[in-house]
Amino acid sequence: DGGITQSPKYLFRKEGQNVTLSCEQNLNHDAMYWYRQDPGQGLRLIYYSQIVNDFQKGDIAEGYSVSREKKESFPLTVTSAQKNPTAFYLCATRPTGDSYEQYFGPGTRLTVT
Amino acid sequence: AQKVTQAQTEISVVEKEDVTLDCVYETRDTTYYLFWYKQPPSGELVFLIRRNSFDEQNEISGRYSWNFQKSTSSFNFTITASQVVDSAVYFCALRPTRSGGYNKLIFGAGTRLAVHP
Repeated sequence: DGGITQSPKYLFRKEGQNVTLSCEQNLNHDAMYWYRQDPGQGLRLIYYSQIVNDFQKGDIAEGYSVSREKKESFPLTVTSAQKNPTAFYLCATRPTGDSYEQYFGPGTRLTVT
Repeated sequence: AQKVTQAQTEISVVEKEDVTLDCVYETRDTTYYLFWYKQPPSGELVFLIRRNSFDEQNEISGRYSWNFQKSTSSFNFTITASQVVDSAVYFCALRPTRSGGYNKLIFGAGTRLAVHP
């Protein structure tokens, strides 16, 4: 099946630990994105990547890091420098061309205590 | 400034009622795109519709319809004869053309719709 996979669905970590969230896609889409969603708020862009080995900071990149070594994969690391890491994280992709809509994965809910 | 406002935080209706979700946007761009997404309890955002700024025709898809009015900078979403399965958070989003090549979407805060039997 074609789609976007984010694993795990729920993730728990202790404060001070880095944690990496997985995002894999088999849609052959070039662009990939990471968003953060907090209760009662819209989505905020963390990082995006248009092609392999290239990525750019979004609006709230502090405390996060990414890599894009393969077209299919765009992992997000939440570092200990992120002050409020507990949130719902959504990965999205966008096909090349004039299709401007983004397609979203199922999300990972991260809880840091 | 680029901004999307969804003033309705929560709406509660009884099944079969019609309901309209409001979306007001701000942009100085003359070319832009507007979107609606649905987020069911599972969490995944589902794309519903895209509209570009040059196309003001209203669109209907089954029980869903969208009213785009540039004069009032609004892109409202109506569900006719609502059903329990329509219960979700609905997001309106804007893609301005000055966002650069990475296709940035600016999201509203969302409207939580609860449809009761």
